[in-house]
Amino acid sequence: EIVMTQSPVTLSVSPGERATLSCRASQSVSSHLAWYQQKPGQAPRLLIYGTSTRATGIPARFSGSGSGTEFTLTISSLQSEDFAVYYCQEYNNWPTFTFGPGTKVDIK
Amino acid sequence: EVQLVESGGGLVKPGGSLRLSCAASGFTFSSYTMNWVRQAPGKGLEWVSSIDSSSSYIYYADSLKGRFTISRDNAQNSLYLQMNSLRAEDTAVYYCARAPYHMDVWGNGTTVTVSS
Repeated sequence: EIVMTQSPVTLSVSPGERATLSCRASQSVSSHLAWYQQKPGQAPRLLIYGTSTRATGIPARFSGSGSGTEFTLTISSLQSEDFAVYYCQEYNNWPTFTFGPGTKVDIK
Repeated sequence: EVQLVESGGGLVKPGGSLRLSCAASGFTFSSYTMNWVRQAPGKGLEWVSSIDSSSSYIYYADSLKGRFTISRDNAQNSLYLQMNSLRAEDTAVYYCARAPYHMDVWGNGTTVTVSS
């Protein structure tokens, strides 16, 4: 069973600043890693898949990188609408999936 | 417009049963693997179950211990989750999600509350 961890638990960032979120897998998931954004009361929204490919309509300020067991989501310049919880998810053993516990990005 | 709409949630007593539905529209439902994902109040996302396009391959999270059954009706563009022997810890918002690999389309969720 693959275990996903995310750090930090909470990230306090000022608007316009850069945010860097980390995700780690307990074993290699190759590049089969996705990121989702969830705002209160809403369903998750796909941001990034295949480690670094932005989903349709996702702004270029969102970027993903990494491979194997270490992954990063970077938001280059935080906008007000980016304050949310971010989840990583591995799908290396598709169609079974494991989510990370999430990182909350809030306003500093 | 690609859309998933869940229904069937509600309040149920411990030990009871509930059947969730997910209606798909705007895409060729019969071509996609579909999933249920849940989120307990104030908690993270938990994958529950997957079913492939032809219902040939079905997977469940280990934590469910055989209490849930996923199914689909491609003629009706619908996904289902039969939940039996419900427990308080099954209280959550249940989402259906399309997953060609990653989960690219999500419904808005239906809330299940297990309480006496």
